[in-house]
Amino acid sequence: QQQVKQSPQSLIVQKGGISIINCAYENTAFDYFPWYQQFPGKGPALLIAIRPDVSEKKEGRFTISFNKSAKQFSLHIMDSQPGDSATYFCAASMSYNTDKLIFGTGTRLQVFP
Amino acid sequence: DTAVSQTPKYLVTQMGNDKSIKCEQNLGHDTMYWYKQDSKKFLKIMFSYNNKELIINETVPNRFSPKSPDKAHLNLHINSLELGDSAVYFCASSQSLAGGDTGELFFGEGSRLTVL
Repeated sequence: QQQVKQSPQSLIVQKGGISIINCAYENTAFDYFPWYQQFPGKGPALLIAIRPDVSEKKEGRFTISFNKSAKQFSLHIMDSQPGDSATYFCAASMSYNTDKLIFGTGTRLQVFP
Repeated sequence: DTAVSQTPKYLVTQMGNDKSIKCEQNLGHDTMYWYKQDSKKFLKIMFSYNNKELIINETVPNRFSPKSPDKAHLNLHINSLELGDSAVYFCASSQSLAGGDTGELFFGEGSRLTVL
């Protein structure tokens, strides 16, 4: 019940296309859902995050869509660029235990020119 | 000026040896972590310290011992290294917020440990 399932494992997108990464969770006590971006040789860095009181959050070309009833959330990258090529991790935590993020298994995104 | 720095970046050692990884953060955060990332990129929390006090200790072998001399430093010592310990170890920090929430995690660049 503590797992966060992420798909796809890898994704290849043409420059200018839309990249979509999906995550699903079981624990209804989760109420904080961040996405982290990791470039090769670097540590993960927070990209965007959402709480379940909203169904969508947009920051530039990055949008999180959240479906509380389905217990799913997804990251959409519009107008994907080669510089977006990285590994993306969804994560979830409970507000009374936010020190402990549960990470998804990661999605390796490659954007080709 | 690096926010979360860890040393060494690469570590190659023989089975059975003992090694340490050091981490320092200059963000003024009160919580620090160790994460392990395996060859499949899976990220798993190992330990969490808040103001030098151990908060989270996941199911990690006793061979792994964290030490926090002050809230800006969190070191990881590993005894009797095994082949399965090969991974990238990430240090991270965050700041506790009002209401019990925790701010975003700031990760170091990782320490790649290879056990031969």
